[in-house]
Amino acid sequence: AQTVTQSQPEMSVQEAETVTLSCTYDTSESDYYLFWYKQPPSRQMILVIRQEAYKQQNATENRFSVNFQKAAKSFSLKISDSQLGDAAMYFCILQGGSEKLVFGKGTKLTVNP
Amino acid sequence: DTGVSQDPRHKITKRGQNVTFRCDPISEHNRLYWYRQTLGQGPEFLTYFQNEAQLEKSRLLSDRFSAERPKGSFSTLEIQRTEQGDSAMYLCASCVGGSTDTQYFGPGTRLTVL
Repeated sequence: AQTVTQSQPEMSVQEAETVTLSCTYDTSESDYYLFWYKQPPSRQMILVIRQEAYKQQNATENRFSVNFQKAAKSFSLKISDSQLGDAAMYFCILQGGSEKLVFGKGTKLTVNP
Repeated sequence: DTGVSQDPRHKITKRGQNVTFRCDPISEHNRLYWYRQTLGQGPEFLTYFQNEAQLEKSRLLSDRFSAERPKGSFSTLEIQRTEQGDSAMYLCASCVGGSTDTQYFGPGTRLTVL
């Protein structure tokens, strides 16, 4: 079975500061994909960043970057220069061997002005 | 591109009643997915369609649940004889076609079973 663990139910950060959200996963698949999605309050879930497991280079999207440690099965998200609009529930997601996405329980991020 | 839409956004029903939800994917998206999200948990996969064909169903999808995508466009999810444990957010997502394409999510339908 594939699993995703997010050990931080809640995190907070000051505006303009940097925060890192943790995620570990488990899969027996050799080919898989990892994602971070955000779900703002009362709004739909949107993709933040994706990482192909076969790529060694960490993905980056503007202020968002990941630290992908394949051997450790770790996939953390770093948000730089945090903005009020970054406040949301963040889900770490694994997709491997099938169509379905396997979600972690989420980390609620609060951005303080 | 109007995004994935879901209707209704909220549904309150009494235990034992049947409910039906609708999902309209982004046009030209061949794959459509249903997920269920309970309070404090991440979404869990229920089923997905490639065009009109239902290709995978989770064991979470009991006999009381049925999903259809009759013309390969919109999809419906029906729950018969609802139970209090069915209370959740039901999310729909769609993507173009490849298994690794980005899934775009709708706003969800929040079901409350009294």
